[in-house]
Amino acid sequence: DTAVSQTPKYLVTQMGNDKSIKCEQNLGHDTMYWYKQDSKKFLKIMFSYNNKELIINETVPNRFSPKSPDKAHLNLHINSLELGDSAVYFCASSQGLAGMLYEQYFGPGTRLTVT
Amino acid sequence: DAKTTQPNSMESNEEEPVHLPCNHSTISGTDYIHWYRQLPSQGPEYVIHGLTSNVNNRMASLAIAEDRKSSTLILHRATLRDAAVYYCILRDPYNNAGNMLTFGGGTRLMVKT
Repeated sequence: DTAVSQTPKYLVTQMGNDKSIKCEQNLGHDTMYWYKQDSKKFLKIMFSYNNKELIINETVPNRFSPKSPDKAHLNLHINSLELGDSAVYFCASSQGLAGMLYEQYFGPGTRLTVT
Repeated sequence: DAKTTQPNSMESNEEEPVHLPCNHSTISGTDYIHWYRQLPSQGPEYVIHGLTSNVNNRMASLAIAEDRKSSTLILHRATLRDAAVYYCILRDPYNNAGNMLTFGGGTRLMVKT
């Protein structure tokens, strides 16, 4: 069974469109995250979400909005897509509350290409 | 935040041990040292973590210097499947942002047959 899954695996879209990436974890974890890996392979945290508390990385544009319908899902919605949004987006989850040091489990990634 | 410094890349022969260094001279007393790795076209995966004492698990060993300003991830017998980018990350459990992993450039490990 896949612990953290993401859909779609690949997403190609045009500038200005709105798109969503879905993430689901079946580990019973309390906390979920979104990370972005750019073309230079640097991985950066975007959001952390725990028990309806959202911790936003201040460098993330407000065009990006995470939505959590329940504890097992954290979707990433992106409005008005720009070329610079092209990257691989990773979802992750961990048990416990923010600040605790549980290991994080990552999904396989969604490669977003904006043309 | 305390930073880590790692070599950009390292090479190893298959079946031989690999020592991946990490410098963290500004580490605070509450920072834990975590290692993750990212295999090609996959998400990162947890490897090991420690605070002061050396740690072992099924994947690797972590040797932490006595002054905690550096650490070394040890893969006892490198295989082709260990070819990946290895990240050394400091995490503070008393900082609300400690749950977010801050990745540096990591070390790209290449394993030769």
